[in-house]
Amino acid sequence: AQSVTQLDSQVPVFEEAPVELRCNYSSSVSVYLFWYVQYPNQGLQLLLKYLSGSTLVKGINGFEAEFNKSQTSFHLRKPSVHISDTAEYFCAVSAYGGSQGNLIFGKGTKLSVKP
Amino acid sequence: DSGVTQTPKHLITATGQRVTLRCSPRSGDLSVYWYQQSLDQGLQFLIQYYNGEERAKGNILERFSAQQFPDLHSELNLSSLELGDSALYFCASSVDQGTYGYTFGSGTRLTVV
Repeated sequence: AQSVTQLDSQVPVFEEAPVELRCNYSSSVSVYLFWYVQYPNQGLQLLLKYLSGSTLVKGINGFEAEFNKSQTSFHLRKPSVHISDTAEYFCAVSAYGGSQGNLIFGKGTKLSVKP
Repeated sequence: DSGVTQTPKHLITATGQRVTLRCSPRSGDLSVYWYQQSLDQGLQFLIQYYNGEERAKGNILERFSAQQFPDLHSELNLSSLELGDSALYFCASSVDQGTYGYTFGSGTRLTVV
């Protein structure tokens, strides 16, 4: 079975500072990995996804993530954050069906960008 | 606009009542997923339909039911509502079984008073 662990529930950071949101997964099979963002009072929006190929994936709004198979990680990074990046970020892994649906989500990391 | 339409956006109802939430998937998508998001439980998968058939079931209460119609829109029915059912309910859709990701709607905020 697959699972996802987001290591930080909250990450406060100052504007223009770099940020890394950590995500680890476990799976006995090859997986696809995703990061979603949820702005206040909105639905989840896909930031980026890793399906295959280059392990460095670039997404929207200047975010990128690196797939590390040996460390079973898919950390999300941005070199310089803006106030508008304040949101909750969810890491997800494909699960090929089962009782949790086809994507398993982590519990989310709330990114708070301060001026 | 993600292409996934959920109505209504807000719903306030009393305990014991029944409500229906509606979802129209993105054009061409065959799968519909329902999620419940609350402060204490986080994002909980409820149920998935693919082309009219139930495909996966998660933590869905017996008081809740769903269906997907021939035109692929889906409805989530919540009955005998309790205060604890207050939450955001999201619908998502995908072309296939969702292995390559979902597209989410903006949600229905349900408040049970």
